[in-house]
Amino acid sequence: GAGVSQSPSNKVTEKGKDVELRCDPISGHTALYWYRQRLGQGLEFLIYFQGNSAPDKSGLPSDRFSAERTGESVSTLTIQRTQQEDSAVYLCASSVQGHTDTQYFGPGTRLTVL
Amino acid sequence: GEDVEQSLFLSVREGDSSVINCTYTDSSSTYLYWYKQEPGAGLQLLTYIFSNMDMKQDQRLTVLLNKKDKHLSLRIADTQTGDSAIYFCAESIWDYGGSQGNLIFGKGTKLSVKP
Repeated sequence: GAGVSQSPSNKVTEKGKDVELRCDPISGHTALYWYRQRLGQGLEFLIYFQGNSAPDKSGLPSDRFSAERTGESVSTLTIQRTQQEDSAVYLCASSVQGHTDTQYFGPGTRLTVL
Repeated sequence: GEDVEQSLFLSVREGDSSVINCTYTDSSSTYLYWYKQEPGAGLQLLTYIFSNMDMKQDQRLTVLLNKKDKHLSLRIADTQTGDSAIYFCAESIWDYGGSQGNLIFGKGTKLSVKP
């Protein structure tokens, strides 16, 4: 079946602009995660959605970052007033129910802020 | 706090075994994972182990878990050039009182396989 998809695959933007990154999880997966991977670094957790519960936003690095999820489907990660340090690959993952369930990752969106 | 450590580089010859090591700090980890990332690609789940197990084998992959030392390893038998990639160790923290379910990742080990 289809895996996690993300769009766009690449995004180049100017400093100060807003960007939106999209994630389509695997159908039927109730949990959705966003991570950030800076060049040469491991992954940093950003935010976690589980069903209708309030999202866990503990990993968001600043108030310029926000994310929404429509029901148990698409999620959008928004970065306002982008900065050069926001340049990274943003990865989305989904799992059946969250917690200890295996997370399956999308291909990521490579964001470059000039 | 939670932390996952890995060595950054490993180089082996084709046909040899590769052993990638990882240490973690949180004793409440429930699942531990190995992910593979090939150049320009997303993360691919390779295997995982539940924290009450000490070994799991899946074809050429063997995962060993020493819970006392909080040490996890991934052994790849008969390493091939196609195994060249970055391998990430990750732990899943399960907080009964909260909503945590995210993975904590190491920085990744770059495996280079020489012909």
